[in-house]
Amino acid sequence: QVQLQESGPGLVKPSETLSLTCTISGHSISSDYYWDWIRQPPGKGLEWMGAIYHSATTYYNPSLKSRVTISVDTSKNQFSLKLNSVTAADTAVYYCARASSIMAPFDYWGQGTLVTVSS
Amino acid sequence: DIQMTQSPSSLSAAVGDRVTITCRASQTINNYLSWYQQKPGKAPKLLIFAASTLQSGVPSRFTGSGSGTDYTLTINSLQPEDFATYYCQHNYYTPRTFGQGTKVEVK
Repeated sequence: QVQLQESGPGLVKPSETLSLTCTISGHSISSDYYWDWIRQPPGKGLEWMGAIYHSATTYYNPSLKSRVTISVDTSKNQFSLKLNSVTAADTAVYYCARASSIMAPFDYWGQGTLVTVSS
Repeated sequence: DIQMTQSPSSLSAAVGDRVTITCRASQTINNYLSWYQQKPGKAPKLLIFAASTLQSGVPSRFTGSGSGTDYTLTINSLQPEDFATYYCQHNYYTPRTFGQGTKVEVK
């Protein structure tokens, strides 16, 4: 059974860097799947942030410009999200998810983790 | 970016009702359309992909249809556990965008 679990600080100060990790169990991160980050501001809709494939190929949402970086740690079967220069608008529940291709849906999701940006 | 527009934004329905939610893409997405159900405090759950293919384990009362730019999610005989928010999402190319959601509430 594939399981994804997000972890990281629940509070980040404005202008700092948000860092989250998604730990995968029941599946190898090195397999032919895409590993994505999606976020949802409180009471609002879903926004795809980006994806990584085979530890090297990344796709990012242009709306986040150059603020986002996704990387993989194969030794820990984890992938990570870094979002720099955060503002209150980055307050959201952050989800990690899996897709079988860049054109496939998200079939497994983590439970989500709330990150609040506040001083 | 492809914009996804859902309608309605919310609706009220009773158990046993048939519910229809529509999703329009700003350009053709060749059936690369998925539907998700989200309950409060939970992650979205995949219901339908490729416009009309039911995800494993999803009840058959959920059906998807459509082509080109216009797609529909239908819930036949609404059940108590179906009251939730539903999102469409395209997978045609990146960025993968979602509709704004449709909240199905109890009438």
